[in-house]
Amino acid sequence: SSELTQDPAVSVALGQTVRITCQGDSLRTYYASWYQQKPGQAPVLVIYGKNNRPSGIPDRFSGSSSGNTASLTITGAQAEDEADYYCNSRDSSGNHLVFGGGTKLTVL
Amino acid sequence: EVQLVESGGGLIQPGGSLRLSCAASGFTVSSNYMSWVRQAPGKGLEWVSVIYSGGSTYYADSVKGRFTISRDNSKNTLYLQMNSLRAEDTAVYYCARDYRLDIWGQGTMVTVSS
Repeated sequence: SSELTQDPAVSVALGQTVRITCQGDSLRTYYASWYQQKPGQAPVLVIYGKNNRPSGIPDRFSGSSSGNTASLTITGAQAEDEADYYCNSRDSSGNHLVFGGGTKLTVL
Repeated sequence: EVQLVESGGGLIQPGGSLRLSCAASGFTVSSNYMSWVRQAPGKGLEWVSVIYSGGSTYYADSVKGRFTISRDNSKNTLYLQMNSLRAEDTAVYYCARDYRLDIWGQGTMVTVSS
């Protein structure tokens, strides 16, 4: 399968920890990347590879993977983390990319 | 500064054609894996196409045979030629660098409507 599945919505209390998951067969072979998108803005890469953060991404963002599931964890969620989060990876062919449907994160 | 700037979007009738451009600065397009990603209004991200540094190209099934990705090394610019446009192609189109999609442009809106 070349699909990635995400929960449509997740909420977290301010300052608490939240995990956003992404499931798909391709994740057994390829790492997921994670993107944050705020309304009216382009997506921003927050995690890639095993657990790598681009420059400028706070260290409260981390990634992990097990089997067919990749996870994005935000430790100590802030109000500014409220956004849509998308995972992606290569598909089974290795030549196409596939996105999850996205998770809307609400910080309460 | 590493940057991508898309242009070329607009309103087009079904069946029409449009060419999107993505001008890069701060890095070399031809040395990178470059993708187009789109987002229909209120929907999620959809990968559209990729061109490898070696020139190989790949397309999502939804656009294969209608869209063509290319680049002009002298202009350091990526293109997406879109033919036989359909209403379901209406979206913001983003270009992005590398398989990690580490740099994104601001997007250009394409509206296919009569």
